[in-house]
Amino acid sequence: DAGVIQSPRHEVTEMGQEVTLRCKPISGHDYLFWYRQTMMRGLELLIYFNNNVPIDDSGMPEDRFSAKMPNASFSTLKIQPSEPRDSAVYFCASSLRTSGDEQFFGPGTRLTVL
Amino acid sequence: AQKITQTQPGMFVQEKEAVTLDCTYDTSDPSYGLFWYKQPSSGEMIFLIYQGSYDQQNATEGRYSLNFQKARKSANLVISASQLGDSAMYFCAMREAFTGGGNKLTFGTGTQLKVEL
Repeated sequence: DAGVIQSPRHEVTEMGQEVTLRCKPISGHDYLFWYRQTMMRGLELLIYFNNNVPIDDSGMPEDRFSAKMPNASFSTLKIQPSEPRDSAVYFCASSLRTSGDEQFFGPGTRLTVL
Repeated sequence: AQKITQTQPGMFVQEKEAVTLDCTYDTSDPSYGLFWYKQPSSGEMIFLIYQGSYDQQNATEGRYSLNFQKARKSANLVISASQLGDSAMYFCAMREAFTGGGNKLTFGTGTQLKVEL
């Protein structure tokens, strides 16, 4: 399996622009997670899905952030409008249903908002 | 209160020596899991080892072992025979099953490990 795939790997945009980050989880995994990593706040869970349904979005910072999972093999995280404080590395991860299974992380998308 | 605490922001170890990275956790859930991840400078998150709260024995994976002390709520990572490639940031994480945690992980702030010649 190719692992969790994220695109783009790097994104540079200007404040006010819409940004869409994409994720393809590992085939057969039931859970999908979006994380944000910054120096100040560390690794934070933004939202996660179980069988394509959002379960917990309490980590989504503002209404400017939205996430969707239209099918088992694709998810997006959208920021509209983007702000400089959104600059971070965004990770997508997926896991199986079993409690002992680890989360497999994608390579991350490094977002810079100017 | 922090759910996962890693008190060592940075650690140094000599090559071939063993090193222990500390992690304490806080939960009232009787069923939980503890994970360690490695993040090298390239940025990816690499799973290292898992310990379930009901596991009787400490988890081991090659040179990695988890010193699980349930009563003290600690889950320290031990790396034996350190190698230069072990230089990275290490994160401890916890999953709580029943206290609204679902299947999500809460991460600590990490420990930056540097292996020296």
